[in-house]
Amino acid sequence: KAGVTQTPRYLIKTRGQQVTLSCSPISGHRSVSWYQQTPGQGLQFLFEYFSETQRNKGNFPGRFSGRQFSNSRSEMNVSTLELGDSALYLCASRSTGGNEQYFGPGTRLTVT
Amino acid sequence: GIQVEQSPPDLILQEGANSTLRCNFSDSVNNLQWFHQNPWGQLINLFYIPSGTKQNGRLSATTVATERYSLLYISSSQTTDSGVYFCAALFNAGNMLTFGGGTRLMVKP
Repeated sequence: KAGVTQTPRYLIKTRGQQVTLSCSPISGHRSVSWYQQTPGQGLQFLFEYFSETQRNKGNFPGRFSGRQFSNSRSEMNVSTLELGDSALYLCASRSTGGNEQYFGPGTRLTVT
Repeated sequence: GIQVEQSPPDLILQEGANSTLRCNFSDSVNNLQWFHQNPWGQLINLFYIPSGTKQNGRLSATTVATERYSLLYISSSQTTDSGVYFCAALFNAGNMLTFGGGTRLMVKP
């Protein structure tokens, strides 16, 4: 079974621009979560989607948003990029009723 | 508030040595996972261990849920064990993983 995939793997953007990241979960998994990793703040939860509905949201500004499609693929969007948004963005999926989460390879975003 | 704390933050070992990494969590958990982050950033699942003991080769883990801690044991360490180890907890009150700060392990040849 294929693992969690994320695209793109690397991205360079300029302040003020917006960016969209994509995540495809393990086949059959309907829950997708997003996390941000920075050297200063560590790994922090952004949001979780299940069956196209956002179930939880972390403590991030409204510039961070996401959605999930009927095939469980998820996208997250960051608008009006700031230098502090430079980070590794990780996506994880888990099966319905399961608690173990599986992570993708991440998207490394650099904002200049 | 809900917290996950790992110790030590940094660890340097000689190849062949054993080590114990600790993870303390502040509340009851539904899930406790250990990960190894590879040099490219991906989190590799090591153990899913909300309670009890599991072993996988040279690695083993124990979670004592009633005392709110988990331990990761690495025996006969190899240079390829180097990297950052994270524990993460899924607390009863929510659906998101809360991560510890990680233990950075360096194994010298």
